[in-house]
Amino acid sequence: SYVLTQPPSVSVAPGQTARITCGGNNIESKSVHWYQQKPGQAPVLVVYDDGERPSGIPERFSGSNSGNTATLTISRVEAGDEADYYCQVWDSGSDPYVFGAGTKVTVL
Amino acid sequence: QVRLQESGPGLVKPSQTLSLTCTVSGGSISSGSYFWSWIRQPAGMGLEWIGRIYSSGSANYSPSLKSRVTISIDTSKNQFSLELTSVTAADTAVYYCARAPSVAGSAFDYWGQGTLVTVSS
Repeated sequence: SYVLTQPPSVSVAPGQTARITCGGNNIESKSVHWYQQKPGQAPVLVVYDDGERPSGIPERFSGSNSGNTATLTISRVEAGDEADYYCQVWDSGSDPYVFGAGTKVTVL
Repeated sequence: QVRLQESGPGLVKPSQTLSLTCTVSGGSISSGSYFWSWIRQPAGMGLEWIGRIYSSGSANYSPSLKSRVTISIDTSKNQFSLELTSVTAADTAVYYCARAPSVAGSAFDYWGQGTLVTVSS
């Protein structure tokens, strides 16, 4: 089955830019979605189809996808952005919904 | 505004069957435009897709759980349900229901709040 690889953690100072990567074989051929999950809460979709934002998600959240790596970028990071972030793709194999292991973003 | 709400026992004994229901409000589960999924998350771990169902009743399951999972739908109640048989401690997790548009490759746009199920005697 398809595998997505994320770094376990990313640390960033307030006001700086956080970049979270999601690696997969030829991932650029797939639509990548990103979810934010704060402790004790359900995941929230923050970016879909590589770089689209759902209604209500700040413009500070953006995404890109090229080659074997998709990236979620959080600009002007705020304390409230501290959370786990998961990438997800749909695969045509037997396990259609594949999640990365998640990246914990810590705001210093 | 679409809302999903999980319900069911929070404690299940080993070897028994875990049963959960997801009630959908703010939209019709039978509209035909969405897949309805169950996803779980053990404490401190990542997300695992369990399976999905369409309004027609057609279901797909994760290969790793397929032998133990059944997902059903009740359009008259705007609900869909999960049954997981022969549970062990490894099935202890927060269980979420979620919606994804039926277009291939779509994201999960709405999630329930999640319900913790503990497998213990």
